[in-house]
Amino acid sequence: AQSVTQPDIHITVSEGASLELRCNYSYGATPYLFWYVQSPGQGLQLLLKYFSGDTLVQGIKGFEAEFKRSQSSFNLRKPSVHWSDAAEYFCAVAPDTGRRALTFGSGTRLQVQP
Amino acid sequence: DGGITQSPKYLFRKEGQNVTLSCEQNLNHDAMYWYRQDPGQGLRLIYYSQIVNDFQKGDIAEGYSVSREKKESFPLTVTSAQKNPTAFYLCASSIGAGGRTGELFFGEGSRLTVL
Repeated sequence: AQSVTQPDIHITVSEGASLELRCNYSYGATPYLFWYVQSPGQGLQLLLKYFSGDTLVQGIKGFEAEFKRSQSSFNLRKPSVHWSDAAEYFCAVAPDTGRRALTFGSGTRLQVQP
Repeated sequence: DGGITQSPKYLFRKEGQNVTLSCEQNLNHDAMYWYRQDPGQGLRLIYYSQIVNDFQKGDIAEGYSVSREKKESFPLTVTSAQKNPTAFYLCASSIGAGGRTGELFFGEGSRLTVL
C-alpha cells in the first residue's frame, strides 16, 4: 500500500529565508504526487501536482517541488518565505490502481518569524 | 461559483447522539470523499464514493455511515458507535478517483465537538 512520510512536524523560518519541506513516499509504480496547504480552520488548497514529465514542477504562490525517483522524494521549496505562508502543508499520493483515494502525510506546520 | 459546501461549520453533540454532516458540490465531479483531521495525524480517509449509489470504506469507517443518492451530495453520519468523534471533518470531490483525476477539491470543513 502506498504511504507518505513528512519527517518534520514543525518548522520555523525567518521571513525572507528559503524553505524546504520534505516528503517521502512509498509506492511501487510512478506515483501521482500533490502538495496542499491549509490555513487554520480552513479546507485544503492545492499548491502543485506531479503526474509525469519534467521533475521540477511550479505551483501557486511561488512554490515549486522536485520529484526524485531515486530518493522517493517530492520536496516542496520556496526561495523567499512571506509571513502569509504560515500554514500547515500536506504531501499526498494518488495511486492509479487499488484504493482510489489520496493518501496524505501527517503534515508540516510552518511558522514564519518576522 | 463552483465549489464544495459543508454545513454546519461548527456542531456540538451530546454523547449517544447521531449527527449528520452535509456536503454538497456543484462541480459535477463523480467522486466524493470524507476525511477526518486530528492534530498531528494528518487526514485520514473515512469513506469515498466513485459514483452515485456506491461507496467504499476508508481506513477509519467504524462508527460512520454515508449515502450517495445524488451526484452532488455525500452526507456523513457520525453515529453513537464512534468512540472519539470530536474532530475536524473535511469533504472533498474529484473529477474521477485516483491517478490523474484524483486531484481533490476541498470544502471548508465542519468541526464536531462532543460534550
